[in-house]
Amino acid sequence: GAVVSQHPSWVICKSGTSVKIECRSLDFQATTMFWYRQFPKQSLMLMATSNEGSKATYEQGVEKDKFLINHASLTLSTLTVTSAHPEDSSFYICSARSEGTYEQYFGPGTRLTVT
Amino acid sequence: DAKTTQPPSMDCAEGRAANLPCNHSTISGNEYVYWYRQIHSQGPQYIIHGLKNNETNEMASLIITEDRKSSTLILPHATLRDTAVYYCIAAAVEGGKLIFGQGTELSVKP
Repeated sequence: GAVVSQHPSWVICKSGTSVKIECRSLDFQATTMFWYRQFPKQSLMLMATSNEGSKATYEQGVEKDKFLINHASLTLSTLTVTSAHPEDSSFYICSARSEGTYEQYFGPGTRLTVT
Repeated sequence: DAKTTQPPSMDCAEGRAANLPCNHSTISGNEYVYWYRQIHSQGPQYIIHGLKNNETNEMASLIITEDRKSSTLILPHATLRDTAVYYCIAAAVEGGKLIFGQGTELSVKP
């Protein structure tokens, strides 16, 4: 089956610093990638959709200048949390799908803790 | 995207079939029914999807009512490893956005 990886799996950073999370599709070309965040005991919330080579489309209420998304290749998308604050602490999950397919495949998630 | 309604929690005995219902009464003609599950602290896992016909794969069966307003995911022989939150999502293939609701927390008990 299709595999999506994320790196790092967890990260702790100080308030005010930036953190980059990588999402890779290992055995397929991901024309579209999605970024979600999930707070404890809550459901996944879609943050943005990115298509390879295009600017990301952000969901309402998500600050595009704070959550920078780059989808530079068909196998890699990155999410950078800029000037992180404790309220940005969350579980960040990416998913990917290839053109013409129905399924999205999810990464294992990255747990971000901002101190 | 159509909103879905699922019971917040269900129990199932190990070895028995788990039947998870989902209501999607406002589903559009171009929206598929997707099922994913999330085991604690992991990314969601794709299970199955369908448009109007019943579907079966190695993980589960999906039964969609004729009017497409509801569906049931069936895990034929539940194991302890099937304990997870199960999400039913109605989404169009174009755009591909999956909007997650609260899901059903399935507990499989020995």
